[in-house]
Amino acid sequence: ELKVEQNPLFLSMQEGKNYTIYCNYSTTSDRLYWYRQDPGKSLESLFVLLSNGAVKQEGRLMASLDTKARLSTLHITAAVHDLSATYFCAVDKADKLIFGTGTRLQVFP
Amino acid sequence: SAVISQKPSRDICQRGTSLTIQCQVDSQVTMMFWYRQQPGQSLTLIATANQGSEATYESGFVIDKFPISRPNLTFSTLTVSNMSPEDSSIYLCSVEKNQGSYTFGSGTRLTVV
Repeated sequence: ELKVEQNPLFLSMQEGKNYTIYCNYSTTSDRLYWYRQDPGKSLESLFVLLSNGAVKQEGRLMASLDTKARLSTLHITAAVHDLSATYFCAVDKADKLIFGTGTRLQVFP
Repeated sequence: SAVISQKPSRDICQRGTSLTIQCQVDSQVTMMFWYRQQPGQSLTLIATANQGSEATYESGFVIDKFPISRPNLTFSTLTVSNMSPEDSSIYLCSVEKNQGSYTFGSGTRLTVV
């Protein structure tokens, strides 16, 4: 059974600081997704990582994928309040998405 | 990517009743997915709906409780049957339009009282 774990589960960070969210998964997969969810809202796609070594960046967020280690990271650079949300990774297995536990990010002044 | 219209956006229902959630996609898709997100939790896949065949349910979910219809390539419904307070969740539909692209509906926030 595929398990997808994120850590930390909750992250409170000061504006301007850097931090990394980790996503580990238990079986082989070549596709990994990162989503953002604001309270009471649906999911917004952030990144799709399709191969080993893939790195994608958008604004203050950068995601990477290491399929050999079964690990993806979401790095936050110089955090701002607008990044406060819950972030999910999801692994594509047999054409369906299995979601991680989620990381609730709170950025304070 | 596909655009999904999901309704209702929210509902408050009495226990023992049923609610049907609809998802309409702006283009044809092969598979549609239904997820449940319990309060403060991650998303759990309920079932995969293919047009012309019965839905495939994940472990822990059964057709009697969550019947699904998929009458064509742009539409699906999920019914939450004989509801109890434990069914209070957000329910989301999703589609894979192009390889590697999953889009989600706006979600249905269900409260069972």
